[in-house]
Amino acid sequence: ILNVEQSPQSLHVQEGDSTNFTCSFPSSNFYALHWYRWETAKSPEALFVMTLNGDEKKKGRISATLNTKEGYSYLYIKGSQPEDSATYLCAFSIAGGFKTIFGAGTRLFVKA
Amino acid sequence: DSGVTQTPKHLITATGQRVTLRCSPRSGDLSVYWYQQSLDQGLQFLIQYYNGEERAKGNILERFSAQQFPDLHSELNLSSLELGDSALYFCASSVGDSTGGYEKLFFGSGTQLSVL
Repeated sequence: ILNVEQSPQSLHVQEGDSTNFTCSFPSSNFYALHWYRWETAKSPEALFVMTLNGDEKKKGRISATLNTKEGYSYLYIKGSQPEDSATYLCAFSIAGGFKTIFGAGTRLFVKA
Repeated sequence: DSGVTQTPKHLITATGQRVTLRCSPRSGDLSVYWYQQSLDQGLQFLIQYYNGEERAKGNILERFSAQQFPDLHSELNLSSLELGDSALYFCASSVGDSTGGYEKLFFGSGTQLSVL
């Protein structure tokens, strides 16, 4: 059974705080790891797709790292802003398969 | 706007009925994915099509079926509906190739299905 675990389930931070979330996935048959940002009343939007162990991606104040050997990825947000409030979804794709399996997400609330 | 169009946006129906959800992928995308979002559940993968052919299956019930047409739009058919089928159904698309899995998915705005 392919299971993607995200922690924490939710997070409340103050504006300006830096924060990070964890995504754990099966390390065998790894193909790709995705991060998506999902704002309330909108559709999920892709942030990053990473495929190689040690990959690091950055987009503005948001960055992500990948460790395929131990099966985890971190998403970092530097200097959180209220507009960063959203659910951050991690998704895992297996080699040779075409499924992209999502975790339950981390709900981030940034208070001004 | 992701470029993925889903219709209808909202659907209210009764138990035992059958409905069809429609998805038009982004121009040029060959892969279409269907996901179900229920209360307190993450996005549950249902099924994927690539260029008209079924490519991967997830936790899709036998009462549900899907297809992708030659013009690449896709339909998800849900029959003998039960109360528990009430959910937000998302369609996503990607460029798609023979390997898949490493491409960003572009999501539609979803169809909210309410079974009463």
